[in-house]
Amino acid sequence: DTAVSQTPKYLVTQMGNDKSIKCEQNLGHDTMYWYKQDSKKFLKIMFSYNNKELIINETVPNRFSPKSPDKAHLNLHINSLELGDSAVYFCASSLAGSTDTQYFGPGTRLTVL
Amino acid sequence: GQNIDQPTEMTATEGAIVQINCTYQTSGFNGLFWYQQHAGEAPTFLSYNVLDGLEEKGRFSSFLSRSKGYSYLLLKELQMKDSASYLCAVRVPDSSYKLIFGSGTRLLVRP
Repeated sequence: DTAVSQTPKYLVTQMGNDKSIKCEQNLGHDTMYWYKQDSKKFLKIMFSYNNKELIINETVPNRFSPKSPDKAHLNLHINSLELGDSAVYFCASSLAGSTDTQYFGPGTRLTVL
Repeated sequence: GQNIDQPTEMTATEGAIVQINCTYQTSGFNGLFWYQQHAGEAPTFLSYNVLDGLEEKGRFSSFLSRSKGYSYLLLKELQMKDSASYLCAVRVPDSSYKLIFGSGTRLLVRP
């Protein structure tokens, strides 16, 4: 009965590799998000999709590419990983609307060596 | 620009009351959220304010003053399990329902 799930939970990889993180929500929400939380615990929005359409694209390197095959899934693909990409990546979802609350997944801790 | 300020750390005693402040300067305002985040876990929703005043939910209350760009989270009857980071987030009224987060306040509850 998990609401927002992410895989994998931990990801350790070498610089220059390409990796993907998957996110799924079973809450029936319309909108999904990717956040990055750095070592100082600052949580920053990266992308948002509403009904499979990109609506937020913050200043993120184009090595990061989100993909939403349907409104219950939002995956994050990262090319040519760099040391500075090491962080915890959280997926979240919400209903679109003026009082929506965002519900977060458990996070993926990415370590780039 | 968008700016949300919270104290970095606070310490309180089990059973006491603690108030965590948040001030914001954002390009518009469409609601303020408080989230709790235990170490190594996901943020979980605590409260939402969009109108001025106090919202109470059990041991937790949240207050908002839009004219002052100010909110606080009040935790009563503190328990050890309340040791966590508390994140203040403001939704800005663009087309994307974007949340801008503060850096969080790490609360340590001591016996």
